[in-house]
Amino acid sequence: DTEVTQTPKHLVMGMTNKKSLKCEQHMGHRAMYWYKQKAKKPPELMFVYSYEKLSINESVPSRFSPECPNSSLLNLHLHALQPEDSALYLCASIRSQGAGGELFFGEGSRLTVL
Amino acid sequence: DAKTTQPTSMDCAEGRAANLPCNHSTISGNEYVYWYRQIHSQGPQYIIHGLKNNETNEMASLIITEDRKSSTLILPHATLRDTAVYYCIVRVFSGNTGKLIFGQGTTLQVKP
Repeated sequence: DTEVTQTPKHLVMGMTNKKSLKCEQHMGHRAMYWYKQKAKKPPELMFVYSYEKLSINESVPSRFSPECPNSSLLNLHLHALQPEDSALYLCASIRSQGAGGELFFGEGSRLTVL
Repeated sequence: DAKTTQPTSMDCAEGRAANLPCNHSTISGNEYVYWYRQIHSQGPQYIIHGLKNNETNEMASLIITEDRKSSTLILPHATLRDTAVYYCIVRVFSGNTGKLIFGQGTTLQVKP
């Protein structure tokens, strides 16, 4: 199994809703990432978890709340989002933070905020 | 953080080699160069990575200059399915945590 699985693939939510994005991998990877990608732009790093602990937060607004319940699962909780938060949210994982190694990406969750 | 500079777009004839350049003049000694591509807003697909030496796999070759300030990705026989945005990325470390910081990418158009 060399996949990073993201659900849902598409999500539409209002500005007052609370929703979550889910990311799962069963490759034994110990570091997981959230990226945000706006249309026609490169992915931007949001959060990094290493060994289930948050190690990087790239000054992301608190309306985005990450959670790593175990080494295989990464969630992104969404609350009181704005229309400009509409984007493709990408999850990725890597075996460890040692030198080298491939970062595996999921297919993304496309979020629309109305 | 090390940054990368790539041409915005390139064309390549089908069956010919595609050579995609990248500048990363501020790269540090322990920072790897990665290449990913993205097709139609799917998840980025890994192509290859390297530190100092040239690398080759079933998809591509990576040529890194001796001073490590630039690199070239080579797709030996481009096909129409290779049309995509290609990202040259330097993996930087913040403490013990590595992160891929994407540049603006090169849109490669493979033409029949």
